[in-house]
Amino acid sequence: GENVEQHPSTLSVQEGDSAVIKCTYSDSASNYFPWYKQELGKGPQLIIDIRSNVGEKKDQRIAVTLNKTAKHFSLHITETQPEDSAVYFCAASSNQGGKLIFGQGTELSVKP
Amino acid sequence: GAVVSQHPSWVICKSGTSVKIECRSLDFQATTMFWYRQFPKQSLMLMATSNEGSKATYEQGVEKDKFLINHASLTLSTLTVTSAHPEDSSFYICSARSGLAGRTDTQYFGPGTRLTVL
Repeated sequence: GENVEQHPSTLSVQEGDSAVIKCTYSDSASNYFPWYKQELGKGPQLIIDIRSNVGEKKDQRIAVTLNKTAKHFSLHITETQPEDSAVYFCAASSNQGGKLIFGQGTELSVKP
Repeated sequence: GAVVSQHPSWVICKSGTSVKIECRSLDFQATTMFWYRQFPKQSLMLMATSNEGSKATYEQGVEKDKFLINHASLTLSTLTVTSAHPEDSSFYICSARSGLAGRTDTQYFGPGTRLTVL
């Protein structure tokens, strides 16, 4: 079945620096790749997503890139702020069943 | 838009009792809802997929007689943990898949329910 690997598991950056989180997936049929931000004690919040017909998508300080050939996608956060501190999850799904397969999560800490 | 609520946000119960958790899509209709379980510092584990008007599809290893799922309408799904035991203590999160054109694969998550079984 589908497997999603996410790295790093923890990431600490200084405020204003950029943060990059990477994920790889195994199922070539995957065509939808969302990223979620989860704060302590809360449900995951969708922050950006990308579909397989697009290589890059940007929304203000957040961007996601997708390399279908290599089967990996990345989240880029620029000009990080302390409120960006949270756990970030990548996920992948295909048209069959629409189930999301999640990565292991990355705990991002932005130090002021 | 695309708001999902859960009730209750937290619950404490005695071992052997049953607990019902509600998941509602507030501003859109969801033909499909999903139930996840999350342990501390771990990722989300899919328990079951719930389709409106039909039986839920459970993931391997999830006991369907213990975790009863009902999806009676396009905006409401419920998860009942029957005969709860301390090992069922966890964070339960639902998600609803949007039926909006061009967003049918997007899942929006509820705020989660913290279950503690004494």
